[in-house]
Amino acid sequence: GAVVSQHPSWVICKSGTSVKIECRSLDFQATTMFWYRQFPKQSLMLMATSNEGSKATYEQGVEKDKFLINHASLTLSTLTVTSAHPEDSSFYICSARPVRTGEQYFGPGTRLTVT
Amino acid sequence: DAKTTQPTSMDCAEGRAANLPCNHSTISGNEYVYWYRQIHSQGPQYIIHGLKNNETNEMASLIITEDRKSSTLILPHATLRDTAVYYCIVRVARLIIQGAQKLVFGQGTRLTINP
Repeated sequence: GAVVSQHPSWVICKSGTSVKIECRSLDFQATTMFWYRQFPKQSLMLMATSNEGSKATYEQGVEKDKFLINHASLTLSTLTVTSAHPEDSSFYICSARPVRTGEQYFGPGTRLTVT
Repeated sequence: DAKTTQPTSMDCAEGRAANLPCNHSTISGNEYVYWYRQIHSQGPQYIIHGLKNNETNEMASLIITEDRKSSTLILPHATLRDTAVYYCIVRVARLIIQGAQKLVFGQGTRLTINP
């Protein structure tokens, strides 16, 4: 149980285009989902917290207009990287927390490469 | 969330017990100790968590000192597949406010299991 999936697992896009990453909780409902970013040889950095049906809360230094987060249902959250640039190339990981519990389950990650 | 301190890297021989220390001297009374690990290019995997009593599951054991200022994660019979970065995180576990209690990752310990 408690499986989180991400799609796509990897994507290559041209500079200036937008990329959407999906995060799904497959066997549970998640009122809260989190998005992290990880650069090579570094730890995970929390980007934002999203609650179903409301606006996401972004961490300091994360541009909300560049990283659009939508959490429209209890099983799906999306992260859209708008006008991507090479410096946005990174490993993006989502996690989901089931309703009424404190546990957090992570997806397998999406590797974004912007050329 | 309280800050944790872990060694940057450790080595262990295959088949031996791997003992990973974590210092959390500023932990609060309602904060739990969580351990996650991240195998290369994958999302983090939950291992174990505890409040003040020692805990054991199918993956590992968690030993928390009586003053709760430090803990040790024990992998009893390490295998090559246990090579990963191990993260020790402290936070409140009980869901109090939606969106709160986010997991904040430090640098972790890079554990290498040698044949």
